[in-house]
Amino acid sequence: QKEVEQNSGPLSVPEGAIASLNCTYSDRGSQSFFWYRQYSGKSPELIMSIYSNGDKEDGRFTAQLNKASQYVSLLIRDSQPSDSATYLCAVNKGTSYDKVIFGPGTSLSVIP
Amino acid sequence: KAGVTQTPRYLIKTRGQQVTLSCSPISGHRSVSWYQQTPGQGLQFLFEYFSETQRNKGNFPGRFSGRQFSNSRSEMNVSTLELGDSALYLCASSPGHQAGYNEQFFGPGTRLTVL
Repeated sequence: QKEVEQNSGPLSVPEGAIASLNCTYSDRGSQSFFWYRQYSGKSPELIMSIYSNGDKEDGRFTAQLNKASQYVSLLIRDSQPSDSATYLCAVNKGTSYDKVIFGPGTSLSVIP
Repeated sequence: KAGVTQTPRYLIKTRGQQVTLSCSPISGHRSVSWYQQTPGQGLQFLFEYFSETQRNKGNFPGRFSGRQFSNSRSEMNVSTLELGDSALYLCASSPGHQAGYNEQFFGPGTRLTVL
């Protein structure tokens, strides 16, 4: 079992729809959770951080965390073609130091 | 604030050579982490430095090494290059003082091609 898993893509949604990206992790002691967006040929860009159970909203993005189920998700509302990218889920399982494990990524395509 | 910078952006080497990559973190950040990204393996953690000390290391051979200077700038070195070392090498900067909770910000990466 991989430490961080994401729903396999590619995921295609029409413009204006909600895109739902899912991630599960294996280490119950993980402290913090992140979503990165990576455009083709570019480096990852941090878009959301979440540390406690529940929802966290930032503009069109909502991150959801359920530590009991070891599940993190990212919802993108009113999806735009510019949201087309690979989304990486990252989990920090470190305690005395950072140990960030990345999932394989989910490719999202928003169709105009 | 200026972002994370990495030099060089592109590098072509031949097998057996060695290479040094450089990373300058965001001003005030004391932690630098290095990652290797390949299409087949995704983003894999190499090592993390905080205040000139390596705090954590991933599962890479000893040919991969790094260091951090007193100004928090970091270098990573790969000796005896192999074809499989061709990858995008990413440096990530974070404040470093809240272990387990730090947000990491990536530089543009160095694209290494080994021929």
